[in-house]
Amino acid sequence: DVKVTQSSRYLVKRTGEKVFLECVQDMDHENMFWYRQDPGLGLRLIYFSYDVKMKEKGDIPEGYSVSREKKERFSLILESASTNQTSMYLCASVSSNYGYTFGSGTRLTVV
Amino acid sequence: KNEVEQSPQNLTAQEGEFITINCSYSVGISALHWLQQHPGGGIVSLFMLSSGKKKHGRLIATINIQEKHSSLHITASHPRDSAVYICAVNSGGSNYKLTFGKGTLLTVNP
Repeated sequence: DVKVTQSSRYLVKRTGEKVFLECVQDMDHENMFWYRQDPGLGLRLIYFSYDVKMKEKGDIPEGYSVSREKKERFSLILESASTNQTSMYLCASVSSNYGYTFGSGTRLTVV
Repeated sequence: KNEVEQSPQNLTAQEGEFITINCSYSVGISALHWLQQHPGGGIVSLFMLSSGKKKHGRLIATINIQEKHSSLHITASHPRDSAVYICAVNSGGSNYKLTFGKGTLLTVNP
């Protein structure tokens, strides 16, 4: 079975901290995505990557960066966490036939 | 206006009822996805459709490309079906980006 693993299920960080959210997939997929999910706003795309070291901004990239040094790992970085980045973060990996697999999510609280 | 509209936003049903959730979209698509999210949980892909109809257990998904409309049906609903159901479309191209609807919250009471 296809698997997308997010390193933390719940995370609490302080304002101003640098935060790393990790996502690993075991399917050799080229395309990986980071979304955030907020009540009333649904899922919004932060960044995506279509190959190693390749990245593109999504709809809400401000305050975030990403890293894709290896095909299986796509990291989301909050350079200086702020309270408005409190959210559920979801990673997804996509196969060439458009099949999406999501990770279980990381609920980040910034205090 | 969101490119993907779902209805209803909220749906409450009694166990055993037949349920329909609708999704309309305004752009040309290469694929439409139905996703399920249980409270506090991650997202599971239920179906990916580009035409016709797919069935998995008690779940059926249909799509009408000409009318830009898809439906998700649940037969013999059960309380464990209570979840948010999300419609999402892929507009084509090689980047596989999805545009999401806001979701339908389904509650099935015993």
